[in-house]
Amino acid sequence: AQSVAQPEDQVNVAEGNPLTVKCTYSVSGNPYLFWYVQYPNRGLQFLLKYITGDNLVKGSYGFEAEFNKSQTSFHLKKPSALVSDSALYFCAVRANKLSFGAGTTVTVRA
Amino acid sequence: SQTIHQWPATLVQPVGSPLSLECTVEGTSNPNLYWYRQAAGRGLQLLFYSVGIGQISSEVPQNLSASRPQDRQFILSSKKLLLSDSGFYLCAWNTRTFSYNEQFFGPGTRLTVL
Repeated sequence: AQSVAQPEDQVNVAEGNPLTVKCTYSVSGNPYLFWYVQYPNRGLQFLLKYITGDNLVKGSYGFEAEFNKSQTSFHLKKPSALVSDSALYFCAVRANKLSFGAGTTVTVRA
Repeated sequence: SQTIHQWPATLVQPVGSPLSLECTVEGTSNPNLYWYRQAAGRGLQLLFYSVGIGQISSEVPQNLSASRPQDRQFILSSKKLLLSDSGFYLCAWNTRTFSYNEQFFGPGTRLTVL
């Protein structure tokens, strides 16, 4: 069985501060890990993925994520958040199929 | 470049009425196609996926069905809608080459069943 958990329903940060959205996973074998972002009433947009290689993955809009095998985590980070980063963020893991976390709502206040 | 279309964008239907949502992909061939439902703006539930024309796999038994009459067309249907069918329906595609290819999502259809 595979699963992914996003322990925080909401994350609130001030503009300019670092942003972290947490994700942990459970899967047999090597995981393929993804982050997506969803703006209101829109489809999901792909941000980045980890397949193999360097544990630090860089993606769109200045986001990056760090794969930590020992902690089975794949946290999404941005060094300096923007108000426009306010959205719903999904972590996903693929083994035999793609499974999504429940999502984390990020609010960046001006 | 590849694009994915869904229509209609919004739909309000009475309980017991039929449903047909359409998804088409442009700019690629032989894609994997997926239907998801998102309830209450949160997690996504995979409903159906297809690896080719006429090939449909159902993830969750329910009131819905899917069909793939053409390579880049994916249709979600119901004969009789239930209140619980309300939600945001998302179509997605990815290439078949590697299992770790990311999925690309359409703009979604907001379905309200009254």
